[in-house]
Amino acid sequence: SAVISQKPSRDICQRGTSLTIQCQVDSQVTMMFWYRQQPGQSLTLIATANQGSEATYESGFVIDKFPISRPNLTFSTLTVSNMSPEDSSIYLCSVEGIQIGASEKLFFGSGTQLSVL
Amino acid sequence: QKEVEQNSGPLSVPEGAIASLNCTYSDRGSQSFFWYRQYSGKSPELIMFIYSNGDKEDGRFTAQLNKASQYVSLLIRDSQPSDSATYLCAVKRLSNYQLIWGAGTKLIIKP
Repeated sequence: SAVISQKPSRDICQRGTSLTIQCQVDSQVTMMFWYRQQPGQSLTLIATANQGSEATYESGFVIDKFPISRPNLTFSTLTVSNMSPEDSSIYLCSVEGIQIGASEKLFFGSGTQLSVL
Repeated sequence: QKEVEQNSGPLSVPEGAIASLNCTYSDRGSQSFFWYRQYSGKSPELIMFIYSNGDKEDGRFTAQLNKASQYVSLLIRDSQPSDSATYLCAVKRLSNYQLIWGAGTKLIIKP
């Protein structure tokens, strides 16, 4: 299994500010995924981050609002920009397993609980 | 219609009984099906995956897949209070390999 360190674990932010969330993986992975989970809702994929290329954003999410960096195969950041109360949610990074037979299994970071006032 | 649907619950089951969780999906071409468990305030963790029609057993857990009827189930035998969590169903689309998530079913095991 992959071990993912995600921080911060929680934050309370003011409207209009930005927050950067970091994820560090203990092994090299090609793709890292960023999800949002609002209370009582499904996990929603924000974007897929590949090392060495631009992130691929899902419908409804744009780079200006959620810029992503992927400087190497073990690290990624997601920034939530110009925040509004609607951005209050849990943000999760995840990776697929790298062992044989585990490539479709997703492993998650511990999550960042964001509250925007 | 949501692409992956689950009853939100809560589903209350007495300790020691069988808990049955259901999930339906709309993309008939889906090939991979997953059950994740999420404790309150924690991240999801994979507990079962299934690719073929029929049953797949792992300890107290059994995943059941019926592609013709487009549903996947998770049975938990001898339910324990520690099984109390939200169970998320996820289905991988064949068209773009994207994982689509249900909203989850909250399971409560009563001692």
